[in-house]
Amino acid sequence: DIVMTQSPDSLAVSLGERATINCKSSQSLLSSSNNKNYLAWYQQKLGQPPKLLFYWASSRESGVPARFSSSGSETDFTLTITYLQAEDVAVYFCQQYYTTPRTFGQGTKVEIK
Amino acid sequence: EVQLVQSGAEVKKPGESLKISCKGSGYSFTSYWIGWVRQMPGKGLEWMGIIYPGDSDTRYSPSFQGQVTISADKSISTAYLQWSSLKASDTAMYYCARLDSYANPYFDYWGQGTLVTVSS
Repeated sequence: DIVMTQSPDSLAVSLGERATINCKSSQSLLSSSNNKNYLAWYQQKLGQPPKLLFYWASSRESGVPARFSSSGSETDFTLTITYLQAEDVAVYFCQQYYTTPRTFGQGTKVEIK
Repeated sequence: EVQLVQSGAEVKKPGESLKISCKGSGYSFTSYWIGWVRQMPGKGLEWMGIIYPGDSDTRYSPSFQGQVTISADKSISTAYLQWSSLKASDTAMYYCARLDSYANPYFDYWGQGTLVTVSS
């Protein structure tokens, strides 16, 4: 199985500041056949199901605010929230869908400082 | 509007059987894979397996193969997750979610979750 490791496990950021979450995979998620990275990001607010934020590592899902951005390739990926808002408090998960089983990172909890 | 509506919370005893459901609407149910994801209390997400309701093609994570059964009834647009003999360690929230496509196998829509509690 591909192991997905997120860092940090949690972070507290002031309103309006930047939050950066890292996700590292145990093997490359970049396909040579289509030059796409098989990585998604999800947001899970307390008591809610996860919500898709990004797919193909950097494609933003419809309706996701522009303050969210995602980048990276092969084994190292980053989710960035600029100008953190109160409604961004959540746990964020990365997921690889390069191979089955489609494993998730352990999650990063974002809180307000 | 795409919706996945899951069955309600369950409280069971060890050794009992259980089948939970996930009903899709607002899209062609037979044309999209449906997956199941486990979230144990206070923990992360675990990909259990997926099913294509159009032909019931099913794939399991090795961690869950033989432990659960995923099925679907396309006539009522419903996918299922079942256990034949529950264990206390099956206590978790279970989510169903739709895959965008087999070529784009990320989950684009999620059900609200079904909480399963197994306790003697």
